[in-house]
Amino acid sequence: AQTVTQSQPEMSVQEAETVTLSCTYDTSESDYYLFWYKQPPSRQMILVIRQEAYKQQNATENRFSVNFQKAAKSFSLKISDSQLGDAAMYFCAYRSAGNQFYFGTGTSLTVIP
Amino acid sequence: ETGVTQTPRHLVMGMTNKKSLKCEQHLGHNAMYWYKQSAKKPLELMFVYNFKEQTENNSVPSRFSPECPNSSHLFLHLHTLQPEDSALYLCASSQEGILEQYFGPGTRLTVT
Repeated sequence: AQTVTQSQPEMSVQEAETVTLSCTYDTSESDYYLFWYKQPPSRQMILVIRQEAYKQQNATENRFSVNFQKAAKSFSLKISDSQLGDAAMYFCAYRSAGNQFYFGTGTSLTVIP
Repeated sequence: ETGVTQTPRHLVMGMTNKKSLKCEQHLGHNAMYWYKQSAKKPLELMFVYNFKEQTENNSVPSRFSPECPNSSHLFLHLHTLQPEDSALYLCASSQEGILEQYFGPGTRLTVT
């Protein structure tokens, strides 16, 4: 089975600064999808950004961007100009071509005013 | 109401009680999921329903019983739970052709 590893249980960043959250995954598939989800203290999990493995270009959504290294099986999330509202648990997720989803253990991000 | 809703948001039950969690999605999706979220663990997929048919059951104990009467509603029936079953239970939905899942707010379950 695929595994998703987030090696940083907790991270903190100063407001307006940049932070990078790490994620690695293990798979033998060539076709898959990767996601970063955000879970604020209210608990509703929402999608931040997604990346199709067949695309070489890194996905970007406003202040959020990823560094997708397919050969290294690495999928990090960069948050630029961090805001207080970015404080949350961030989960890295993998979706196989067969529609199986796998999640990491999460990284708790604190934004310091 | 839009998105994925779950009721109740909080539930405290004794080990001998029977209760049910409800999930409803208003997105027209055809797949629904139950996850268990415990601290410091990856989300654990419990059940998957595609077009109302159960396609996944990841060795979940029989004290958890899912029901999917239609593609918009999903239930998780609980009976004779154990304290280690205390967790946040998340419901999600997805649609073929759409890559990501959409999550509900979860039910915080405490088994006493």
